[in-house]
Amino acid sequence: KAGVTQTPRYLIKTRGQQVTLSCSPISGHRSVSWYQQTPGQGLQFLFEYFSETQRNKGNFPGRFSGRQFSNSRSEMNVSTLELGDSALYLCASSLGAGMNTEAFFGQGTRLTVV
Amino acid sequence: KQEVTQIPAALSVPEGENLVLNCSFTDSAIYNLQWFRQDPGKGLTSLLLIQSSQREQTSGRLNASLDKSSGRSTLYIAASQPGDSATYLCAVQSRTNAGKSTFGDGTTLTVKP
Repeated sequence: KAGVTQTPRYLIKTRGQQVTLSCSPISGHRSVSWYQQTPGQGLQFLFEYFSETQRNKGNFPGRFSGRQFSNSRSEMNVSTLELGDSALYLCASSLGAGMNTEAFFGQGTRLTVV
Repeated sequence: KQEVTQIPAALSVPEGENLVLNCSFTDSAIYNLQWFRQDPGKGLTSLLLIQSSQREQTSGRLNASLDKSSGRSTLYIAASQPGDSATYLCAVQSRTNAGKSTFGDGTTLTVKP
């Protein structure tokens, strides 16, 4: 079966712009989590969505937002981009949320802000 | 608050050696611990998942153990190969904090031919 799909794979944006990233989870999975990975900070949790509701949120400014659709696909939006937002953004798919479950990751979206 | 530590941060070994990667966590109230592999610029590939009630899991040349009471896990790689070169991360899914997963910073492994 198909894995977790993230689009686009690479993105270059200018400071002040906004960007939307997409994640399609494994078929049947209803939970999608987003992470930001940078060399200095490692893997940091952004938020988790389950059944179109945000269940958990990390310590990121309000410029970072997300949503989940009825087919479990999720989008993440970053507004007013800053240079420090350059990172690899990863999404993880799992069957459920708040329960014992295995996470599967996509290949990530590499965002570069210039 | 769950904290996950991986030691060492980097490891270089000659091909054929057996090696052990370490992961420690502070809160033993967990559902499971998962080991991942990450190649440069790529996503995370799940290697092994150990449930909190289990002591170990094996897949091919990989063996992961879990000692929940002491907050430790090890990933044992037998007969290492250059293709094993990657960053290995462990993640703990907590029973508290709405089942959120916490990741270590990883161990970067280089296997020299």
